Amino acid sequence: DGGITQSPKYLFRKEGQNVTLSCEQNLNHDAMYWYRQDPGQGLRLIYYSQIVNDFQKGDIAEGYSVSREKKESFPLTVTSAQKNPTAFYLCASSPLGRDYNEQFFGPGTRLTVL
Amino acid sequence: GQNIDQPTEMTATEGAIVQINCTYQTSGFNGLFWYQQHAGEAPTFLSYNVLDGLEEKGRFSSFLSRSKGYSYLLLKELQMKDSASYLCASMDSNYQLIWGAGTKLIIKP
Repeated sequence: DGGITQSPKYLFRKEGQNVTLSCEQNLNHDAMYWYRQDPGQGLRLIYYSQIVNDFQKGDIAEGYSVSREKKESFPLTVTSAQKNPTAFYLCASSPLGRDYNEQFFGPGTRLTVL
Repeated sequence: GQNIDQPTEMTATEGAIVQINCTYQTSGFNGLFWYQQHAGEAPTFLSYNVLDGLEEKGRFSSFLSRSKGYSYLLLKELQMKDSASYLCASMDSNYQLIWGAGTKLIIKP
């Protein structure tokens, strides 16, 4: 089955600790994205990548870092510099091209910082 | 600037019809998406419109007017499982999605 996996589904961390969220896809998509979702708000783009070893900041990249060493993987690190990290984090992927690029989402990771 | 507006919450009755509106201001518009998101889950794709008009897909239809910067999602024969948030997103000139805050749809028996 093709799809996107995120792990873990729930994550608890102490304030001041860095934490890495996993995202893997086997859809052979070139583009991958990380979003943050807070209650009552839309999805906000943290980082995105359209090719291996390259990524771009989104609207709220401060306090986050990513890597794209393989096409299938796009892990997100939430650093201690992120002031309010408790949120629902969604990873997505899409093909690239001039036609519309539907984004496919993973199940999400709910991060709670205590 | 780029902006998406949709109502925060709507209530409808099982078996009825509901229309969820979305207005957008997007530079280099490349289409309008609708996604469904159940609480605590990932969004799932419902529809995509890039040309003016109505696209019908079973109980769900989506409409776009590019000149008015307006779209709606029409849900017919509502079922309890349709209780969810409905997210409107426009695609900009860089093929990035600009997301609305979502409309929470509550279905009552």
